[in-house]
Amino acid sequence: ETGVTQTPRHLVMGMTNKKSLKCEQHLGHNAMYWYKQSAKKPLELMFVYSLEERVENNSVPSRFSPECPNSSHLFLHLHTLQPEDSALYLCASSQRGGGVGYTFGSGTRLTVV
Amino acid sequence: QKEVEQDPGPLSVPEGAIVSLNCTYSNSAFQYFMWYRQYSRKGPELLMYTYSSGNKEDGRFTAQVDKSSKYISLFIRDSQPSDSATYLCAMGLDTGGFKTIFGAGTRLFVKA
Repeated sequence: ETGVTQTPRHLVMGMTNKKSLKCEQHLGHNAMYWYKQSAKKPLELMFVYSLEERVENNSVPSRFSPECPNSSHLFLHLHTLQPEDSALYLCASSQRGGGVGYTFGSGTRLTVV
Repeated sequence: QKEVEQDPGPLSVPEGAIVSLNCTYSNSAFQYFMWYRQYSRKGPELLMYTYSSGNKEDGRFTAQVDKSSKYISLFIRDSQPSDSATYLCAMGLDTGGFKTIFGAGTRLFVKA
């Protein structure tokens, strides 16, 4: 399988639940990202990992917790979310030092009830 | 002032029309300018990119950058219903870089 794969595609969770989003890239890229996409708003960068080290955390609430066990996998752990956290969560990868732009996954549509 | 401004639309055009999508930005340090296309229930995909100023053409698509005006455009000639999607502009300081800023996206409908 090629590209960036995200699972699950859809997730409905209660405010007291704990869940995780998974992302896997098969492109050999050295950087991975989590973005939040809400209607009519620009993509919001949440976290950046380069060579498995978190290099950016964009003032994201602690109820979101990223994990990057290796250069091909990225997780976003979710707990005690709020309804305003409902959005499309996109994973992306890129090659720093070569290539332009990101390759995105298809996203996880998250609904918090 | 937002770093990148993009009209969210929606923009509705008949098939065969020329479409113009635009973004303005405030950071004169941006060097790379990108356009992503996002179909419904999919992630964005990189459509075109340009470095610094000038035009770049790829088939029916032309990307234009005017750094003096801090203004970028994407033109679609002979638009097709399959071009119906959301188009996001993005700009950054380096290739594959961390500091990429996205516009909100313009929703385009091309009617057959």
